[in-house]
This record gives sequence, structure tokens and C-alpha cells, in this order.
Amino acid sequence: AQSVTQPDIHITVSEGASLELRCNYSYGATPYLFWYVQSPGQGLQLLLKYFSGDTLVQGIKGFEAEFKRSQSSFNLRKPSVHWSDAAEYFCAVGAKENTGFQKLVFGTGTRLLVSP
Amino acid sequence: DGGITQSPKYLFRKEGQNVTLSCEQNLNHDAMYWYRQDPGQGLRLIYYSQIVNDFQKGDIAEGYSVSREKKESFPLTVTSAQKNPTAFYLCASSLNRDSNSPLHFGNGTRLTVT
Repeated sequence: AQSVTQPDIHITVSEGASLELRCNYSYGATPYLFWYVQSPGQGLQLLLKYFSGDTLVQGIKGFEAEFKRSQSSFNLRKPSVHWSDAAEYFCAVGAKENTGFQKLVFGTGTRLLVSP
Repeated sequence: DGGITQSPKYLFRKEGQNVTLSCEQNLNHDAMYWYRQDPGQGLRLIYYSQIVNDFQKGDIAEGYSVSREKKESFPLTVTSAQKNPTAFYLCASSLNRDSNSPLHFGNGTRLTVT
């Protein structure tokens, strides 16, 4: 079955430092991969997506992610974190079911804390 | 601006009562979804609908029901059969059912059942 693992429950980063959030997926075919961000008490906002082509994808708010097929990973990065980046981040993989329906399978999320 | 509206933001109910959560979208999207979010468990799919008058069970449909009578609306009823209904509920939509069609989320409804 398709699955997504985000091994870090919490991460604390100093403001201005670089950030990398880890995501590993399990899926037999070429995956569609997404990163979403959620502020407290809010819905999820799409940061970026990977479908095919260039394995380094750029997203909103200065985020980028790199697809590495050999490692089944899709890690999210930002070179310099701002206090407003404090939120919860979810990685997701698009997975096709036997019924033909293609759904998103989400990881359990990583909460980012930004220290002054 | 187009988007997804969930109402109310907070909902309180007594155990044994059914409750309906509203979800409306004006994005002209075909597909709509309901997710449940619990701390440390990510998002779990309750029900989804790919077109009007059609919907399918997701991974945790027991104790929930939905309807899709209009393209814009996808209400979720949490019935008294749901054993642990207190959670944050998120409605989402996508242009179509394909997994390369990103989800757009509402701001959620936090349901507390006592």
C-alpha cells in the first residue's frame, strides 16, 4: 500500500538558518508528490508539487523540494527561514486505487518551530 | 475570490446527536473530499465525490454520511454511530479526480462532542 513517512515530528530552526524537512514515500509507480503547509486552526495550502521532469521543483514562499527516486524521497528545503514559516508541513503522494480513483495519501506532518 | 467555505468554524454537540458540517466551493471543481485530522495522525480520508450525485467511502467512513446534490456543496453528517467524533474536519476540492490535480482546502471545522 502507498504510504508517506515524515520521520521528524518536531523541528526547531533558528530564524535565518536553513531548513530541510524529510519525506519518504512508498509507491510502485512514478509518484505525484506534494508538500502542503498548515497554520494553526487553518486548512492546508499547497507549497509545491512534482509530477515529472526536473527533479528540483520550486514552490511558493521560497521553498523548494528535490525528488530522488533512488532514495524514495522528496525533501523540502528553504535556505533562510523566517518566523512566519512556523507551521505544520505535510508531505503527500498521489496514489491510484484499484477502483481507478486517485487519492492523496498524507504523512503525519512535521511541526516547524522557529526560534529568534 | 474563489475558495472553499466551511461552516461553522467551531461546533459543539452532545453525545448521541447527529451533526452536519457544511462545505461549499465556488471553484467549479468536480471532485470534493472530506478529511479528518487528529493530532499526530495526519489527514485521513472519510468520503470523496468525483461528480454530482456520486460519492465513495474513503478509509474511515464508518459513522459518517455525505450527499452531493449540487456541484458546489458536499455536506458531511457525523452520526451518533461514530465512536470518537471529536476532531478537526477539513473539506477539500480538486479540479478532477486525478492525483495530479492539487487539493484546495477549506479552513476546517473543529467538532467537539461531549
